[in-house]
Amino acid sequence: SQELEQSPQSLIVQEGKNLTINCTSSKTLYGLYWYKQKYGEGLIFLMMLQKGGEEKSHEKITAKLDEKKQQSSLHITASQPSHAGIYLCGADENQGGKLIFGQGTELSVKP
Amino acid sequence: NAGVMQNPRHLVRRRGQEARLRCSPVKGHSHVYWYRQLPEEGLKFMVYLQKENIIDESGMPKERFSAEFPKEGPSILRIQQVVRGDSAAYFCASSPGLAAGELFFGEGSRLTVL
Repeated sequence: SQELEQSPQSLIVQEGKNLTINCTSSKTLYGLYWYKQKYGEGLIFLMMLQKGGEEKSHEKITAKLDEKKQQSSLHITASQPSHAGIYLCGADENQGGKLIFGQGTELSVKP
Repeated sequence: NAGVMQNPRHLVRRRGQEARLRCSPVKGHSHVYWYRQLPEEGLKFMVYLQKENIIDESGMPKERFSAEFPKEGPSILRIQQVVRGDSAAYFCASSPGLAAGELFFGEGSRLTVL
């Protein structure tokens, strides 16, 4: 079955700095989803990527999917304390709607 | 415009008791997914249901765990004879259909087994 590996596992950055989180799949991705989870809360949808080479942005967050559709990156520009949380990438394993998730990247932003 | 509603948000059980977790999907959504998040681990898929049908239960433990999504009412994840290792956050998500893009997640139900 498909596996997703995220790196780094945790990240501490100074407010205002840029950062990148990576998500690598063992198989070609049909769809790649980025979610954010705050401690003790549910998951908030950020972005979905489906086409090789696709790039999407929302406010200061940009997500890309490589041409081979096996790797995605999430880039945050000028990080703020509100960006802190756990970022999870999820993949649609077989176009059946079920998502599998990476282990998450815990982001802390120091004021 | 309610999202996915899960209850209870927190549940404490003693070993051997039963735990029932409920999930009401977004109105109009017919697909429900249950995930488990253990401490220090990622989100693990458990089961995928449509109304009255289990579509994929490949992530469900073989014993003590069951799920249903009846024609009327919420989806229920039932854990019988709970053990300490069942302590986790259980998340429900819904979608309107197959390959329908994002899943809408509830806030989760946190089960603690004493």
